[in-house]
Amino acid sequence: EPEVTQTPSHQVTQMGQEVILRCVPISNHLYFYWYRQILGQKVEFLVSFYNNEISEKSEIFDDQFSVERPDGSNFTLKIRSTKLEDSAMYFCASSELEETEAFFGQGTRLTVV
Amino acid sequence: GNSVTQMEGPVTLSEEAFLTINCTYTATGYPSLFWYVQYPGEGLQLLLKATKADDKGSNKGFEATYRKETTSFHLEKGSVQVSDSAVYFCALSDQRQGAQKLVFGQGTRLTINP
Repeated sequence: EPEVTQTPSHQVTQMGQEVILRCVPISNHLYFYWYRQILGQKVEFLVSFYNNEISEKSEIFDDQFSVERPDGSNFTLKIRSTKLEDSAMYFCASSELEETEAFFGQGTRLTVV
Repeated sequence: GNSVTQMEGPVTLSEEAFLTINCTYTATGYPSLFWYVQYPGEGLQLLLKATKADDKGSNKGFEATYRKETTSFHLEKGSVQVSDSAVYFCALSDQRQGAQKLVFGQGTRLTINP
């Protein structure tokens, strides 16, 4: 069964460092998303991406964040200068169409120290 | 703005017990409603969904009915199993806002004891 895969499963980084979280969406999907869940809080939408551009972003997704689809298979989330409050579980998701089910990856736990 | 509220967890039940996890929402427009489940070490998986009022979503013995009058989408199962132990998330999306953007509840951790 096709699945969304995320790497790494856990990343520890020092405050101020850049980090790139990687995702391989399901191959025939056209819409891509990042969500995050700070420990003990709700899963929050960060950004959606379609046709090589951001289609929607939340207020959390500020200039420190960027997304990219560098090749035909990967979808990445970059945080330029990490802060302690960026520590969270980050989920990637993809959907075939805008209105169809979003499939989620298993998440990357980011710990900023 | 749109929001989802779930019952506080954790919830611990014995095998074969009846399960209800409450979910209420606030939304403008006509959202679709979802229940996602996260098993230990895995990603979020869609469990069931309903796209309009009075629709009932069902899967793996779980059910939820879209109640517009009470703005609710409570998850139920008649007889839970140990394998149902997981975190359950209620969510909504309003696709009139553009690309699918899910708004999640805080999640409810369910533990089923044998």
